[in-house]
Amino acid sequence: DTEVTQTPKHLVMGMTNKKSLKCEQHMGHRAMYWYKQKAKKPPELMFVYSYEKLSINESVPSRFSPECPNSSLLNLHLHALQPEDSALYLCASSQGGGDREKLFFGSGTQLSVL
Amino acid sequence: AQRVTQPEKLLSVFKGAPVELKCNYSYSGSPELFWYVQYSRQRLQLLLRHISRESIKGFTADLNKGETSFHLKKPFAQEEDSAMYYCALSGWGSSYKLIFGSGTRLLVRP
Repeated sequence: DTEVTQTPKHLVMGMTNKKSLKCEQHMGHRAMYWYKQKAKKPPELMFVYSYEKLSINESVPSRFSPECPNSSLLNLHLHALQPEDSALYLCASSQGGGDREKLFFGSGTQLSVL
Repeated sequence: AQRVTQPEKLLSVFKGAPVELKCNYSYSGSPELFWYVQYSRQRLQLLLRHISRESIKGFTADLNKGETSFHLKKPFAQEEDSAMYYCALSGWGSSYKLIFGSGTRLLVRP
């Protein structure tokens, strides 16, 4: 299995809702990432987990809460989001051996906040 | 600071014409440069990286440290090359941080 799988593909939520995005990979990768991509813009890094520990938080608001329960799973918990948080959320993974690695991306979750 | 610049938002060429997608970077050390591609309704995927010195789908890219560039080239464009192309940079000790350029949409007309 050489894919990164994200669920759900689409999500619509209200500003008071709590929801979670899920990401899974079975390539034995030890680094996992969350990126946010607005329409017609490049992906922007949000979080990086390395060996199940949070190694990078790009000053993301606390209404986004990442979780890495094990080396194959990555979650992004959402609470009290704003309409401007509507975007495509991409998960990625890499081997985890260090810098400059090839990233494998999931197909993303298209999030709409009403 | 690390920065990647792709000056063209859209590049339109005819089938069979040469293609060059420009990428310039700013980084004080020795970077690793990548080209990622996103075809319509497909996931973002790696096209090539400079350290591999390989040619994928007829595309090549040479790192020019003097001009701080990593332009993507293909001698004869095909319609299936139409996609969004992102240049990206990773530096030493950057702890997995990959910085993307703003992207160039390549449109290959029949």
